[in-house]
Parts: sequence; structure tokens; C-alpha cells
Amino acid sequence: AQTVTQSQPEMSVQEAETVTLSCTYDTSESDYYLFWYKQPPSRQMILVIRQEAYKQQNATENRFSVNFQKAAKSFSLKISDSQLGDAAMYFCASNLQGAQKLVFGQGTRLTINP
Amino acid sequence: GAGVSQSPSNKVTEKGKDVELRCDPISGHTALYWYRQSLGQGLEFLIYFQGNSAPDKSGLPSDRFSAERTGGSVSTLTIQRTQQEDSAVYLCASSLDGGRAGDNEQFFGPGTRLTVL
Repeated sequence: AQTVTQSQPEMSVQEAETVTLSCTYDTSESDYYLFWYKQPPSRQMILVIRQEAYKQQNATENRFSVNFQKAAKSFSLKISDSQLGDAAMYFCASNLQGAQKLVFGQGTRLTINP
Repeated sequence: GAGVSQSPSNKVTEKGKDVELRCDPISGHTALYWYRQSLGQGLEFLIYFQGNSAPDKSGLPSDRFSAERTGGSVSTLTIQRTQQEDSAVYLCASSLDGGRAGDNEQFFGPGTRLTVL
């Protein structure tokens, strides 16, 4: 089965600190994308960052970066200088099962403490 | 520009009734997706439309679920004879075309929260 797993249901961090959210996946595919989405209380999913499996360099978007370990099938998200607006559900996802459809993890609820 | 819109925002219905959920994709986007998010869970793929091609219905959980896309734009997800386990948030997304998921970002709507009593 091709799955995405997030083992941390909840995480919390002090404002301005750094936090890392974990994600592992299982696939026999060689070419795929990995994503982190943010879902605030408004329910609208927002793409935070993406990584193509063929690229060895870890993706970075401002305060957000990933640690992609292909052999270990691990894809963690690091948020630096956490801000109150970062509080949300974070979902790891991938197009493991096909070119278009996305497979999502169970989500991690991130709380930012002022 | 306008994003993906969905209506209604919330829907409460009685067990056994039929419901229709609507999705308006971003103008010009040819690919449209429906996902379901049960309480405390991640998103589950339901169905995918790309242009005039036959839709990928592989994620529909039962034959009570169906979806159509008229004129390559608006889509309606219909659930017949609703059951309590159908209670969830139904999210729609669209992308510029149906290429690889990473090549074309999926933009999500705010979802419809369906509650079946």
C-alpha cells in the first residue's frame, strides 16, 4: 500500500522558536512529489512547500524548509522563527498513487505559544 | 482573481436524504478534484476530472456517490441516501491542467461541511 504517515497528532512551540514536523511515506514509485499543506480554521488548504523526489537539494520557502531523505522515505518540515500565524493543521501529502491524485497524512496540529 | 468557491459552506441533512455540493473552480483551470476530510483525518481522494476525458472515479466510496462537471467548469458532487458516516468536510480543488501533481498546483476551496443527522 502506498501511504503517508504523520506520527505527531499535535505539536507546540514557543513563538520565534524552530519546530520540525515529521512525515514518512511508503511507495515503490521512483518519481513523485511531496508536499506540505497548511489548513487554518478557515478549512482552506494552502500549499506551503513542495519537493520533487528526483531533486536531492532540499526545498526552501522563506522560513519553511524540508529535510528530504529519499532512502529513508522521510520528509520533515522545519519552521524557523515560528509566528502566531503559523498555528494550523499541517498535512504531508504526495502523488504516490498516480500522477494527479494526492495521498494525505493524518495531519499535525501545530500550536504557537506567545 | 477569484479562487475556488464551494457552496453551501455548511449543510445539515437527515439520514436518507440526497444532497448536492457545488464547486466553482478557478477560471481557466481544466482539472478538478474532490476530496473528503473526515473528522480528525487527512484528505481522501474521491474523483478527478480533466477536460473532456472520462473522470477518475476510483476514490468514490460507494455507488451512492456521483459527480459531474458541466461545460468543463462547475462540478456537483451528489450523495444519495445519505448515511451518518458521510458526515465530513468535502473539499474541491482545481489545477491549470491534469499534469503531474507537482507540476500543477492544486488550489483548494474552503470546503462544505456536511452533517448527517
